[in-house]
Amino acid sequence: QVLLQESGPGLVKPSQTLSLTCSVSGGSFSSGTYYWSWIRQRPEKGLEWIGYMSYRGSAYNNPSLESRLTMSIDTSKDQFSLKLTSVTAADTAVYYCVRTVYTNYPKFDSWGQGALVTVSS
Amino acid sequence: DIQMTQSPSSLSASVGDRVTITCRASQSVINYLNWYQQKPGNAPQLLIFGASTLQSGVPSRFSGSGYGTEFTLTISSLQPEDFATYYCQQGYRPLTFGGGTKVEIK
Repeated sequence: QVLLQESGPGLVKPSQTLSLTCSVSGGSFSSGTYYWSWIRQRPEKGLEWIGYMSYRGSAYNNPSLESRLTMSIDTSKDQFSLKLTSVTAADTAVYYCVRTVYTNYPKFDSWGQGALVTVSS
Repeated sequence: DIQMTQSPSSLSASVGDRVTITCRASQSVINYLNWYQQKPGNAPQLLIFGASTLQSGVPSRFSGSGYGTEFTLTISSLQPEDFATYYCQQGYRPLTFGGGTKVEIK
């Protein structure tokens, strides 16, 4: 069974860079069947897809965040990462890393527990 | 972007009730439609994909239907563990979710 675990600072100052890493265990990381996604949920709000990438490095981002977003993948460590620059209070959210099954279209079948990131001075 | 609109945004129901949640897409997503359940403090869990296919391990009281722009999630007999928030998600980039339907105890 795959397990995903987010890690990173829980508090980021405005205008700085939010950085999170997701560690994946239980196999499947280098399988071509899966992409690896980030999804966030702002307080009392719904879900927002941030982007996903394959283990080969092909990435697709939400255009609303693309100018501030960098995703990367480290297959030697079974990890993938997110960097979001120039953050504001609007980026305060629970950030989930998610395994994404891509057959015909994406579906999010395994989620990390989520990491709360607060943007505040 | 494809907008996903869920209705109602919340509902109150009793154990044993039949519950139906609707999700409408602003343009056709054919059957690229998934449903998720989220309980407080937990991550969402995939319930249904392809509009009507149950994810492994999901009880058969859950069912999904629809095609194009209109979809429904039905719980045939609501159980105590089903009180949660439900989200639909469409499969064209940028991927988008509905605003959620909170199912509460009556």
